[in-house]
Amino acid sequence: EDQVTQSPEALRLQEGESSSLNCSYTVSGLRGLFWYRQDPGKGPEFLFTLYSAGEEKEKERLKATLTKKESFLHITAPKPEDSATYLCAVLGSGGSNYKLTFGKGTLLTVNP
Amino acid sequence: DGGITQSPKYLFRKEGQNVTLSCEQNLNHDAMYWYRQDPGQGLRLIYYSQIVNDFQKGDIAEGYSVSREKKESFPLTVTSAQKNPTAFYLCASSTQYGNTEAFFGQGTRLTVV
Repeated sequence: EDQVTQSPEALRLQEGESSSLNCSYTVSGLRGLFWYRQDPGKGPEFLFTLYSAGEEKEKERLKATLTKKESFLHITAPKPEDSATYLCAVLGSGGSNYKLTFGKGTLLTVNP
Repeated sequence: DGGITQSPKYLFRKEGQNVTLSCEQNLNHDAMYWYRQDPGQGLRLIYYSQIVNDFQKGDIAEGYSVSREKKESFPLTVTSAQKNPTAFYLCASSTQYGNTEAFFGQGTRLTVV
């Protein structure tokens, strides 16, 4: 069974204090790893797709990387508006069906 | 603007009632999905549809039903058989099933009163 574990569950940073969120996964036949941002009471907003180990994607202060076992979301010099829950999901192709499995998320709070 | 529209944003249901959540997309996506989100848990798949007039059960389909009569619409009915329906419901779509990232609507919060 595909599994996604995100750590830490919650992270509190000061504005400008860089850090990383972790997404560890086990999946049968990885077809893609996705990062989403979710604000309270809203639907997840798509950030990145990573397809193979070694791949990196960047958007503003965010950078996502992928290895064969985990993905990191690096946040450089965060601002209060980066506060949100960050979700990781993997798309596997084990068996006859494709399956998207989500982690529980990391709640990031950035204090001014 | 292209996107996914869910309505209503908030919904209250009495015990024993069926309610229907609306999901409409104008992205011309073939695949659509319904997820349920509970505090402290990851998103769980209720139903998905790869193409019009086709849909499949996800991991937690009991007590739910769907239809896909039009490409842009994928309504979810929460029936009285669903024992714990209070949750945040999310609709999503992707260009193809199992191939690309999914885009989400803004969600419907259902509360049983």
